[in-house]
Amino acid sequence: KAGVTQTPRYLIKTRGQQVTLSCSPISGHRSVSWYQQTPGQGLQFLFEYFSETQRNKGNFPGRFSGRQFSNSRSEMNVSTLELGDSALYLCASSLEWGNSPLHFGNGTRLTVT
Amino acid sequence: GESVGLHLPTLSVQEGDNSIINCAYSNSASDYFIWYKQESGKGPQFIIDIRSNMDKRQGQRVTVLLNKTVKHLSLQIAATQPGDSAVYFCAENDSGNTPLVFGKGTRLSVIA
Repeated sequence: KAGVTQTPRYLIKTRGQQVTLSCSPISGHRSVSWYQQTPGQGLQFLFEYFSETQRNKGNFPGRFSGRQFSNSRSEMNVSTLELGDSALYLCASSLEWGNSPLHFGNGTRLTVT
Repeated sequence: GESVGLHLPTLSVQEGDNSIINCAYSNSASDYFIWYKQESGKGPQFIIDIRSNMDKRQGQRVTVLLNKTVKHLSLQIAATQPGDSAVYFCAENDSGNTPLVFGKGTRLSVIA
């Protein structure tokens, strides 16, 4: 079974631009979560979706948004990029919403210059 | 490779020895716990999980111990191998009411 796929793998953007990251979950998984990983803050939760509904949202500004499609694929968008948004963005999927393991993709490395 | 934590606690272990990685959590309502392994350039990889109705769970070469009294979780790796070198994270939540919260991670370095 194919794992979680994230595209693109690397991205370089300029301050003020916006970016969209894509995630395809493991087949059959209906829950998708997004995390931001930085050396200073570790893994910080962004959002969690289940059956196209946002179930949880982390403590990030409104510039960060996401959505989930009917086929469980998910996207996240960051508008008006800031230098501090440079990070590894990780998507994870799980069978159910709640206490089941998250299976992570290899992330999208976003660099904002 | 990517640096997932410039100032992570580091555990150095001789190849073949056992490793013990510790994690403290603060939310007494947490009842689901997971250990992840992250290698350079990759996303976290699920190792083993445990629910709060258990104290111990074993997998292949790994054992997770949960002490709810002192809110402590540990991962034991038997016969540590060079391929075990990575950053290890514990994570927790309370029955899915909250998202998984990750610890800061521990870097395991295996000395051949």
